[in-house]
This record gives sequence, structure tokens and C-alpha cells, in this order.
Amino acid sequence: DAGVTQSPTHLIKTRGQHVTLRCSPISGHKSVSWYQQVLGQGPQFIFQYYEKEERGRGNFPDRFSARQFPNYSSELNVNALLLGDSALYLCASSFPVPGELFFGEGSRLTVL
Amino acid sequence: QQQVKQSPQSLIVQKGGISIINCAYENTAFDYFPWYQQFPGKGPALLIAIRPDVSEKKEGRFTISFNKSAKQFSLHIMDSQPGDSATYFCAAAPGQGAQKLVFGQGTRLTINP
Repeated sequence: DAGVTQSPTHLIKTRGQHVTLRCSPISGHKSVSWYQQVLGQGPQFIFQYYEKEERGRGNFPDRFSARQFPNYSSELNVNALLLGDSALYLCASSFPVPGELFFGEGSRLTVL
Repeated sequence: QQQVKQSPQSLIVQKGGISIINCAYENTAFDYFPWYQQFPGKGPALLIAIRPDVSEKKEGRFTISFNKSAKQFSLHIMDSQPGDSATYFCAAAPGQGAQKLVFGQGTRLTINP
């Protein structure tokens, strides 16, 4: 079975641009979460979606938004990129019952 | 109150030795405590997790010790192997929100052959 898949794996943007990151959860998983991992730090929670509804939001500005589609895949959007948005963006999926998060390999965003 | 503090930042252990990583938390609403292992270029992978109704959980060479009164928990890796060299993160989550993990800062573990 395929794990959590994310695209693109790497991308470079300039300040002020917009980026869309995509995630496909493990088949059967209905919950998707997004995390930001700055180099040398632990991941930070951004969003959780379950059954297409936002179920949680971390301490991130409104420039960050996300959505979940009927097939449970998800997009993370970041507007007006700043240098500090450079990070590894991780998507994780899980069963409806609280438990293990399965992470993808991430999308590495570099903002110049 | 949302922080999880992890130590040490880096750790070097000889092959066959015991690796010990510690974490502390403040938020008493946390009731799910997982440990993740991350290799370079990969996403974190769950190693082992514990809930506060037990003080210890063992899976193979990996053991979590949990001290609810001290609000501390630790990961012990027995018979450490070079393949265990990775970055380890502790994390915590409140109630049913196991998806909303608060991670520690990470420990870079190196096992010398």
C-alpha cells in the first residue's frame, strides 16, 4: 500500500509569491494534518482536516490556508511568501480513531 | 504551557550501549506521548507511544518510561546500533486530538560502530 504522498518534493519561490502544496493520504484515512518543520527544529502543527472540515489550527498567520477534498486529499496554500516560510512542509494522515500519524516525506520550500 | 522540552540536543553512544533521551511537558491536558524517528530527507516515523495510564511501555529495543507526577517521559534504546543513528523527537497531544502534536526540539543520535 502507498504511504502518504506529497508534491512537489522541492520548490523554490521568491518573496511575495504564492505556493500550493498537495497531499494524498493513505487509502482509508480520512484525517489529514499539516506541519511545518524549520531546519533543526521539531515539526509545528499548522492544520488538521477531517471529513473536509477544519478541526484544528495552529499558531500560523492567515496567509496559511488549507482545504480537504471529497477524496480526502488536501492542499496547503501559503500567500505572500516570506523568507521565514522556508521549511519542510509535512503532511500526515490517520484513521478517524485518534492514534498514529503517518507522515509523508514532505515538500521542501525555499523562499529567496 | 504548550511546550515540550527535549534533551539532549545531540547524543553520541557506542554500539551496544543504551541511548537515553528525555522530555518534559507542562500542559496537564496532554495524554498521548509518542516518539518519532526521522532520517535525513524523510518524514518522521512513529517508533513507540504511551498514554499516562501506564508508567512504562516496551517494544523490542525501545522503551518509554513515563512519570506523570514529574510530567516527564523518556526514550531508552537498548543495544544501540549504527542504524539507529537519526534524529528523535518526542511529542505530546491533548485528549482526542492526537493529530495535533506538540513536538520537542529533537535529539540527533549518533551510534559509533
